[in-house]
Amino acid sequence: TQLLEQSPQFLSIQEGENLTVYCNSSSVFSSLQWYRQEPGEGPVLLVTVVTGGEVKKLKRLTFQFGDARKDSSLHITAAQPGDTGLYLCAGYTDRGSTLGRLYFGRGTQLTVWP
Amino acid sequence: DTEVTQTPKHLVMGMTNKKSLKCEQHMGHRAMYWYKQKAKKPPELMFVYSYEKLSINESVPSRFSPECPNSSLLNLHLHALQPEDSALYLCASSQGPAAGGLNEQFFGPGTRLTVL
Repeated sequence: TQLLEQSPQFLSIQEGENLTVYCNSSSVFSSLQWYRQEPGEGPVLLVTVVTGGEVKKLKRLTFQFGDARKDSSLHITAAQPGDTGLYLCAGYTDRGSTLGRLYFGRGTQLTVWP
Repeated sequence: DTEVTQTPKHLVMGMTNKKSLKCEQHMGHRAMYWYKQKAKKPPELMFVYSYEKLSINESVPSRFSPECPNSSLLNLHLHALQPEDSALYLCASSQGPAAGGLNEQFFGPGTRLTVL
């Protein structure tokens, strides 16, 4: 069961363009984490959103958590080649048998061409 | 310090070999995780240790054997692996759900395992 639907799966754009990645679920999460991963390396935590409606900015990256805490988006303004990587959203829930577990989306492979 | 270290960086082993992957964190985290990741796919959870006790085993084959000697260390013992086990093995740690808070997971750089 894929709890988090992440889209698009692949994104290939030119430097300077804007883009948005979406993560959607029918489940409510306690928090949602966004990671960026480069080939052969571990995922690096970019941000954690916790409160419904929360917006966080990290330079050119804007993260939003839906009001109902079921969905999230990542918007990148003026993408640069250094933004290339695999972007992963992961929802955390602390209920019962799901204790201590992240549910990952399928990932978005972003390529930014110079 | 938000660093999780993993050794070795790369490992090549035959199907009859026994090897171990090691993971270490010094953030005082009480939960540690092993994940398996294939190329361009999300990490797949294998094991979770909470307060040095195995709390989640995602039906992983017995040729993978985890061990948590203390709160800072996590090992994954490998024996009689198959070529399809070749992947990036990631370790992660977090404060642990019992500690409340965000329980953010921090990942190590991974071990690239190739089984011949």
